[in-house]
Order: sequence, then C-alpha cells, then structure tokens
Amino acid sequence: GQQVMQIPQYQHVQEGEDFTTYCNSSTTLSNIQWYKQRPGGHPVFLIQLVKSGEVKKQKRLTFQFGEAKKNSSLHITATQTTDVGTYFCAGVSGTYKYIFGTGTRLKVLA
Amino acid sequence: KAGVTQTPRYLIKTRGQQVTLSCSPISGHRSVSWYQQTPGQGLQFLFEYFSETQRNKGNFPGRFSGRQFSNSRSEMNVSTLELGDSALYLCASSLEGGGPYNEQFFGPGTRLTVL
Repeated sequence: GQQVMQIPQYQHVQEGEDFTTYCNSSTTLSNIQWYKQRPGGHPVFLIQLVKSGEVKKQKRLTFQFGEAKKNSSLHITATQTTDVGTYFCAGVSGTYKYIFGTGTRLKVLA
Repeated sequence: KAGVTQTPRYLIKTRGQQVTLSCSPISGHRSVSWYQQTPGQGLQFLFEYFSETQRNKGNFPGRFSGRQFSNSRSEMNVSTLELGDSALYLCASSLEGGGPYNEQFFGPGTRLTVL
C-alpha cells in the first residue's frame, strides 16, 4: 500500500546546528502539509505546499515540495531549544487518501 | 477565539464496551476531521465531516463511526472496543471543507485506554 516515509526517525542536534527532515511518498501527492507536535502536545499546522517545486520560508524554516510531488523537505536553520518536537508531513494521494508520514523526532541539546 | 476542545481528555474502558468522544471546533469552522495516533501506526485519518455530512473516510473498520451536528460539534463512536483501539484520538477543525487541503487546528485529544 501507499506509504509516506520520513527520514531520519530521530535527530539530535546541538543548539545552533541546522536540521533537515525528508518526506518520501511512494505515489504522487496533491499537496503536502507539515506539522509540529511537541512532547505531550497535539499537532500544530506549519504550512501547506501544493505546487511542484514549490519552496516556502517561515523565518528559520524552509519547506520544499519536489518536482515530481513525491517528496518534500523541511530545513531548520540554527536550531533552538524551542524547535524540539516531532515533525510530520502529510499529504493527499489519489481519491482523498490522506496519509501522514512516520515523523522525525528532533532533540536540541543546549 | 477559543481553540478546538475535546471531551473527555482521558478515558478508560474495557474490551467489548463502546465509547463516544466529543469535539467542539473553533467557532465558525464547519469541517471536523478525526485522527487516531498510536506509537505503532502513527497518525491515521479516520473521517471528515462537513455540514453534518461525512465527506471522506479513512481505512478503519465499521466499528468506528461519527456524526456532526448542526452547530458543527462532532462526536466519534467506537463500538465493541478492542485492546488495539487504545490511542490518542485527535480532532481537527478547519474553516472550509476538505481538512487535508486546508490549515487544520487540532484539539488536545482524548487519551483512550482499553483494558
């Protein structure tokens, strides 16, 4: 069946280092959404990308949607302790098949 | 503006019982989607309601059902509970229909434990 894999599963970085998580789908996606979930919290919507090759920035966060609309990435520049959490991608494939990625858990060491 | 609220926050049930969870969306939001989150399966889409109609459904058995009321509040019901139904159940609301195509606001979730 369709899968959306995220790598890495876990990432520990020193505060100030950059961080990137990748989202890879086995099928073409209509859109890609990114969420952040803090430990013990609920997912918080970060952004949505819909166009092939689209790049969007939010302060230190850069989001990219691949040309084939099968992959996406989230890059954080100069991580801070407030960036700690699990980052999920999610997208719609085919007839409204909405799938979440497996998530990347980020730990930032001060 | 108040956020999405879910009740109850925690629930303990035994196998075979049924459970009803409630979700109140942000005022003015007409779309409510439900999700199940477990350590093993991650986040999975259950279904979406818009204007009291179920618009889309994920890949869950018929034991999982829901409904939406005229004030956009939604309930989710799970009948004949199984141990594997233990999970965090999240609802999310969005201003327009098609939750997965729009910005969604998640509630704090209901933690269901099935013994």
